[in-house]
Amino acid sequence: DAGITQSPRYKITETGRQVTLMCHQTWSHSYMFWYRQDLGHGLRLIYYSAAADITDKGEVPDGYVVSRSKTENFPLTLESATRSQTSVYFCASSEWDSPLHFGNGTRLTVT
Amino acid sequence: QKEVEQNSGPLSVPEGAIASLNCTYSDRGSQSFFWYRQYSGKSPELIMFIYSNGDKEDGRFTAQLNKASQYVSLLIRDSQPSDSATYLCAGGGGSEKLVFGKGTKLTVNP
Repeated sequence: DAGITQSPRYKITETGRQVTLMCHQTWSHSYMFWYRQDLGHGLRLIYYSAAADITDKGEVPDGYVVSRSKTENFPLTLESATRSQTSVYFCASSEWDSPLHFGNGTRLTVT
Repeated sequence: QKEVEQNSGPLSVPEGAIASLNCTYSDRGSQSFFWYRQYSGKSPELIMFIYSNGDKEDGRFTAQLNKASQYVSLLIRDSQPSDSATYLCAGGGGSEKLVFGKGTKLTVNP
């Protein structure tokens, strides 16, 4: 089925470990986004990409790395996880100036 | 810093009533506005989008945009318990600039 898939759905990791969250979309949307959602802060943009090999920082990029070698994939890597990165992470995709479509989210806990 | 402000709520209405959700935004350059519904533990799903001043209706939902006042609202008529969720307002001037409010939690009481 067409859509946007995130994996894993749940992840527990330890402080200092590297962890990668995966995002795959089948719509061939140009734009892809990573948000984190925390109580009291709402959805905050981490990174976004306008096309393959084009990425840009959002509001809260520190501690995160992204890549987009293929249009359909947009992985998010936490290079050295910290407890403050415990959150729910949502990937989304869209075309220019059109609504975002969200994946089901990844709930990450950093111990 | 571009901001989108929503009443945090919670907002509680009886079944069958009209629920009114409000949102203001700081960036006068914002052109596109979206309302998302998010059930607890789920991802946001699009309810409405509006680009032009005025009202846009879709079933029980009406989005209203007033660019002069930098104000967006969502009305839900004949509210149902299944409408109980957090509603997120978002505004931007193209996909890169979308900014979300913190959401308003709506409870519809049977």
